[in-house]
Amino acid sequence: GAGVSQSPSNKVTEKGKDVELRCDPISGHTALYWYRQSLGQGLEFLIYFQGNSAPDKSGLPSDRFSAERTGGSVSTLTIQRTQQEDSAVYLCASSFTSGANTGELFFGEGSRLTVL
Amino acid sequence: GDSVTQMEGPVTLSEEAFLTINCTYTATGYPSLFWYVQYPGEGLQLLLKATKADDKGSNKGFEATYRKETTSFHLEKGSVQVSDSAVYFCALNIGYSTLTFGKGTMLLVSP
Repeated sequence: GAGVSQSPSNKVTEKGKDVELRCDPISGHTALYWYRQSLGQGLEFLIYFQGNSAPDKSGLPSDRFSAERTGGSVSTLTIQRTQQEDSAVYLCASSFTSGANTGELFFGEGSRLTVL
Repeated sequence: GDSVTQMEGPVTLSEEAFLTINCTYTATGYPSLFWYVQYPGEGLQLLLKATKADDKGSNKGFEATYRKETTSFHLEKGSVQVSDSAVYFCALNIGYSTLTFGKGTMLLVSP
């Protein structure tokens, strides 16, 4: 498709399980971002990729969270040993280089994670 | 650190009413400022932006002016429509790696 694609759109898991969330950015976009949207908390930055490198991972809340990007394209966000406080909508965005400087981020519809 | 504060919602208006959603920011240096909109069931999309003081961003009848003296970037529209019902996010850039977003303001417009 032409936009940012995220999967799954909804994920319900049990506390302690691992989950993987996938993001397929717009073709040609070198920058990729993960954000978390929690009720009443707005958008929380998690990690930024430029190509396959992550020059800024300062927003990852704990070492249970990790992300990778391969081939300068698809990215996977992995949450290990999920906790109830991980429940949120995880948003992926992509842009051309320096997208954050121009504000031109293109967002997917998000993956809603519910941890029981 | 850098931050964005938006008025809490929901903002409830009748069609054709005037809209203002307040946004103020705290930042070191001179950030660029943005408004994003999230329509129901869709991803966030850029609505408008301003990159320096006194710039006015505009799109789809919405406007916002970058006011350095009051550190504000309030969103306005003269006559809202039902189709404007959405969540609006104010944001600023803090370099090349990320945007900092406010908590969002839900707008509900009734016929």
